Amino acid sequence: AQRVTQPEKLLSVFKGAPVELKCNYSYSGSPELFWYVQYSRQRLQLLLRHISRESIKGFTADLNKGETSFHLKKPFAQEEDSAMYYCAPHDSGGGADGLTFGKGTHLIIQP
Amino acid sequence: EADIYQTPRYLVIGTGKKITLECSQTMGHDKMYWYQQDPGMELHLIHYSYGVNSTEKGDLSSESTVSRIRTEHFPLTLESARPSHTSQYLCASSRDSGAYEQYFGPGTRLTVT
Repeated sequence: AQRVTQPEKLLSVFKGAPVELKCNYSYSGSPELFWYVQYSRQRLQLLLRHISRESIKGFTADLNKGETSFHLKKPFAQEEDSAMYYCAPHDSGGGADGLTFGKGTHLIIQP
Repeated sequence: EADIYQTPRYLVIGTGKKITLECSQTMGHDKMYWYQQDPGMELHLIHYSYGVNSTEKGDLSSESTVSRIRTEHFPLTLESARPSHTSQYLCASSRDSGAYEQYFGPGTRLTVT
């Protein structure tokens, strides 16, 4: 079965500290991978996608096919980074043609 | 302005009532989706549509039904609401099939008493 795992339900770090939100996936094909973010009282929105190899708001995510991971990283956390983060693979190879979301990690940045 | 809208934003309703959650988008997107999300939990895809007259069931079985008579409109209906249907329902749309960004609406928080 296709699965995505975000092992940390809650992650609390201090402002200025590095952040790493873990995501592991289990897919038979080669999924496209996304990170979505939901700030308090805002809509779920795309943060970044692995095919773009971009840095958004200081966050980067590297796809490691060997470890089947797509961890989200930021070297220096800011208070405005506090939010729910969802790892979301998209596999167009079969099944429902939508995103499969992980359970999410609630990131809290302490001042 | 291009956007995706959901109404109502909050709904409290008694058991057995029929409800329709509205979703419309002015993004010009063909694909639309419904997700169900309990607070602080993962989202589950319950319905999706490739375009007009296309509806498919998602990964999570749901007693709800959907219709797609117009490209911009994708309502979700519960014929007889139950407390187990209490959840947040998120509507989304995207350009087409494939790994395109999905744009989400603000959600409808449904409480069935």
